[in-house]
Amino acid sequence: QVQLQESGPGLVRPSETLSLTCSVSGGSITNFYWNWIRQSPGKELEWIGYVFSTGVTHYNPSFESRVTISLDTSKNQFSLKLTSVSAADTAVYFCARAQLEPTQRWFDPWGPGALVTVSS
Amino acid sequence: EIVLTQSPGTLSVSPGESATLSCRASQRLGSSYLAWYQQKPGQAPKLLLYGASYRATGIPDRFSGSGSGTDFTLTISRLEPEDFAVYFCQQYGSSLPWTFGQGTKVEIK
Repeated sequence: QVQLQESGPGLVRPSETLSLTCSVSGGSITNFYWNWIRQSPGKELEWIGYVFSTGVTHYNPSFESRVTISLDTSKNQFSLKLTSVSAADTAVYFCARAQLEPTQRWFDPWGPGALVTVSS
Repeated sequence: EIVLTQSPGTLSVSPGESATLSCRASQRLGSSYLAWYQQKPGQAPKLLLYGASYRATGIPDRFSGSGSGTDFTLTISRLEPEDFAVYFCQQYGSSLPWTFGQGTKVEIK
C-alpha cells in the first residue's frame, strides 16, 4: 500500500523560499503524477502542480512564476519549492498521487499534510 | 479555469437522516471527471467517489453520487456519527488547473 509523507520546515520567513519533500513508500514512483495541493486556514483546497515520473511538470497559473516541483527517483521522493513567500502562503501542504490514465486522475492517496507558517 | 461551486456551505442533519450535497461546474465536465472527498479535522482529504458515481475502495454504499455535465450530487444515506465532516468535489479532466469546490460542512443537528 502506497504511503506519502511530507517533510520540511514548519516556519518560513517572508520573502524566502518554502521547501517541502514528499517521500513515497510502498510503491513505485514510475508512471504516476505526483502532486502538491495546499489548504489555507480558510479551508479552500488549491492544486499547485504536478511532476510526472518522467520529470514533466505542470503548474497552476496562480503559482507558475514562483513554483518548482521536481522528482528524485533514486530516493522515491518529489519536492516543492515556492519562492518569495508571504503570509498568504501559510497553509497545510499536501502531497498526493494521481494515476497515469486520463480517466483516473483523482488524488489518492494523500500524505497527512505539513503545516507551513510564513512569519518573521 | 473550471470553477466548482458547492452548496450548501453547511448542512445540519440528524444521525440516521440523509444529506444531499451539490457541486456545480462552470463548464461541462467531460466523461464526468468529478471526484468527491471527505475531510475530517486535522486529516487529509479521503477519496470517496470518482467518475461522479463510483465508490472508492472501502467506501460504504450509503455514499452515492450522481450527475453529469455541470451538475453533480453526493448523497449520504443514513448518516453515521463518523460521516460528519467536510466534503469537497474536485474536477480532474483535461482542463488544467485541476480545481476543488469550496466544501460543504455536514454537521450534527
